[in-house]
This record gives sequence, C-alpha cells and structure tokens, in this order.
Amino acid sequence: QVQLQESGLGLVKPSETLSLTCTVSGSPFKDYFWNWIRQPPGRGLEWIGYVSATGDFHYSPSLRTRVTISLDTSMKQLSLRLNSVTAADAAVYYCARSPTNYFVSGIYDNWGQGTLVTVSS
Amino acid sequence: EIVMTQSPVTLSLSPGETATVSCRASQRIATSLAWYRQKPGQAPRLLIHSASTRATGTPARFSGSGSGTEFTLTISSLQPEDFAVYFCQQYHNWPPGTFGQGTKLEIK
Repeated sequence: QVQLQESGLGLVKPSETLSLTCTVSGSPFKDYFWNWIRQPPGRGLEWIGYVSATGDFHYSPSLRTRVTISLDTSMKQLSLRLNSVTAADAAVYYCARSPTNYFVSGIYDNWGQGTLVTVSS
Repeated sequence: EIVMTQSPVTLSLSPGETATVSCRASQRIATSLAWYRQKPGQAPRLLIHSASTRATGTPARFSGSGSGTEFTLTISSLQPEDFAVYFCQQYHNWPPGTFGQGTKLEIK
C-alpha cells in the first residue's frame, strides 16, 4: 500500500533552515502532486506547496520567498527546505499526495504520519 | 482566499448517536469539498471528496452532502474511533485550497 514517511531534524534554531525529507513507497510519482502541509500544535492545517513529477511547482504566497520543495524520483523522496525560520514555523509537518485528475486535484488522499519541528535556540 | 467556517467547534455526543458537522464557504465552490478525520497524534485521513463521495475504505456510516456554500458531514451510529477532530477543505480554488478550523467530536 501507499506509505509516506517524513524524516529530518526536529529542532531548528531561529534564523536557520528547516530541512525535511519524505520517503514514498507503493506509489508512482507521475499522476500526482506531492505536497507539504503543516499544523502548529493545537491549530489548523496550512498548505505549504507542491511539486509534480513533471517539475511543476507551486508555493503558498505567504511562504514563497523562503520555501523550496523538490522531488527525487530515483530516491523516491520529496524534500522541503524553509529558510530563516522563526517560532511561527514550529509545527507538525506532513507530506501528502494529491491526484492530478482534474476533478479531484487538490484532495489529499494519502498522508505521512507527520514530524514535529520545534524552533528554539 | 476562500474562508471555510465549521460549526460547531465542539460536539459532545455518546456512542451510537448521530453527529452532524457543518461547513460554510465564503464563496461558491460547487462540490469541491473534502472531509478529513484526524485522530489524536495522527495525520488527517481523507473520508469524503466531491462533497458526497466516500473515499476508499470509508465506512458507510459517513455521508456528506451540500453544494455551493453549505456542506454537511453526517456520521451515524458513532463508534469509539469516530471521536476525533474533523476538517473540511475546499479545493475549488487549489492551490492553495483552504481548510476549516476543525470540529472536535468528543464523548459526552
């Protein structure tokens, strides 16, 4: 079955770069958008951005200047880099898959279990 | 940005009862609406898309309805695993798409 697994450092210092990886198994990369979504503790869900197997990408306007999402299909990995982090970036970070099918493009049909990132010196 | 507003914020019910969660969009989104359930310490799981289509593996006790700006998630015969947080999400304008703030379904 489809599995997504996030990994990366759980503690990042203010002003430094958050770096996470999501390893994908059981799914082709084509026909899907590969997303990062975050959830501050006790709060709602915020979409960060996506990348596709064809190289298309799109980022949240509020994070666009600080975020990079990339895909390595040979390694079956999705990556997230967020520069110049502050306390406001502390959250559980999820990777999630969206079909490219027009009628359901934008739903998240599979998620990783999430990884908590704390921002502190 | 399309704002999604859920009600109630918290819903207290007993196992076996029926839960009704509402979601309102700030502008018309046709039926581009999904529902997710998030159990404590877990990722959200897709339950329903296209306002009323159950995702693979979603039990029949979950049903969705609505179009335009008003949507409803109904959970009949509540099971212990249903006590969780529920989010609606519009994908009519995706990306970015937007989520509701969540409804916590707790045991009465």
